[in-house]
Amino acid sequence: QKEVEQDPGPLSVPEGAIVSLNCTYSNSAFQYFMWYRQYSRKGPELLMYTYSSGNKEDGRFTAQVDKSSKYISLFIRDSQPSDSATYLCAMSENYGGATNKLIFGTGTLLAVQP
Amino acid sequence: GAVVSQHPSWVICKSGTSVKIECRSLDFQATTMFWYRQFPKQSLMLMATSNEGSKATYEQGVEKDKFLINHASLTLSTLTVTSAHPEDSSFYICSVPRDSFGEKLFFGSGTQLSVL
Repeated sequence: QKEVEQDPGPLSVPEGAIVSLNCTYSNSAFQYFMWYRQYSRKGPELLMYTYSSGNKEDGRFTAQVDKSSKYISLFIRDSQPSDSATYLCAMSENYGGATNKLIFGTGTLLAVQP
Repeated sequence: GAVVSQHPSWVICKSGTSVKIECRSLDFQATTMFWYRQFPKQSLMLMATSNEGSKATYEQGVEKDKFLINHASLTLSTLTVTSAHPEDSSFYICSVPRDSFGEKLFFGSGTQLSVL
């Protein structure tokens, strides 16, 4: 079993739809959870960062963490064609520095149709 | 704007040659940088941790003699793929912990390596 599971998609939605992206994980020691957006052949771009359980909102993006279920989600409201990209979840046990080792999901390919 | 610059963005080389990839932290002094590799439709996998002024730390299964890392200054780390073979063809990405606690990683734009 992989430490982090993510549905690779592709996920196709119409413009304006609410998008739900999810990851599950097996390591209960993960405390830091991140979502990255990656356009084709580019480096990932940090979208959201959360620590422990709860919700965090930033504009059209909302990140949720449920540590009891080992499940994290990213919601995108009013999706736009420019949101079309691969979304990677990532998580780590440690608090920073040289011990920071992110474990990534495989990414979900999202296509927002105009 | 970009805070991490990676160069080149793509490179094609013959089998047996060596390729150097540069990663620069543009506005932040980084004692640590990370090198990842990404195969098509697979996760980003950490290869090694580059430490300024000391030896890199390699993940299990990564050959340190094949993937040479040099972190000579607080703004520059290089990854050299030595004696490259077709199976080394991949997308290589560096990252820099952006704040003082290091939990937020910012990535370079990546280097697509194709070995013929």
